[in-house]
Amino acid sequence: EDQVTQSPEALRLQEGESSSLNCSYTVSGLRGLFWYRQDPGKGPEFLFTLYSAGEEKEKERLKATLTKKESFLHITAPKPEDSATYLCAILFSGGYNKLIFGAGTRLAVHP
Amino acid sequence: DTGVSQDPRHKITKRGQNVTFRCDPISEHNRLYWYRQTLGQGPEFLTYFQNEAQLEKSRLLSDRFSAERPKGSFSTLEIQRTEQGDSAMYLCASSFPSTGGDEKLFFGSGTQLSVL
Repeated sequence: EDQVTQSPEALRLQEGESSSLNCSYTVSGLRGLFWYRQDPGKGPEFLFTLYSAGEEKEKERLKATLTKKESFLHITAPKPEDSATYLCAILFSGGYNKLIFGAGTRLAVHP
Repeated sequence: DTGVSQDPRHKITKRGQNVTFRCDPISEHNRLYWYRQTLGQGPEFLTYFQNEAQLEKSRLLSDRFSAERPKGSFSTLEIQRTEQGDSAMYLCASSFPSTGGDEKLFFGSGTQLSVL
């Protein structure tokens, strides 16, 4: 049973073309939702943590939002250096301290 | 903050051989995690240490896998009698509890294992 589902699997954007990535989750008792960025051959790099519905976090061209069933990562005016895989992960009650990851969205931004 | 260090970066082995990976967490981080990632998938939880105690182990982890964290510092992950299905990136992460209770994980660059 998938607990974290990310869409789309892959996204190709032109530089400056804003878009959103989706992360939906099915667990109850969410303790936190995390966004990570992963470059090829490297480990995931932390971006944001969201704890409750309605919360928003921003960093440069990225903004993460959270509802009761999903999170969005909005990318405004992306640049080629934003190309990476973006991973969503959750912590939930009863899940101890282990993160459950989605499969990720592979983002390619072309000049 | 020198980051989480993993060694080796790459390992090629023949089926049936044993392999061992090492992870050095960020100093003063008392929590350490091992994850496995295959191509096109997100990281999958393997096991978790708080200091030297192994507090949780994935049910998906076979008896061929063992992890240790002596003295609560570095950790090793050993895979015995490797199989081709063990080929993956093995990621280590560490963290320190935040005041909010849910801390962020810092990941190493991983060890890429190829079993021939």
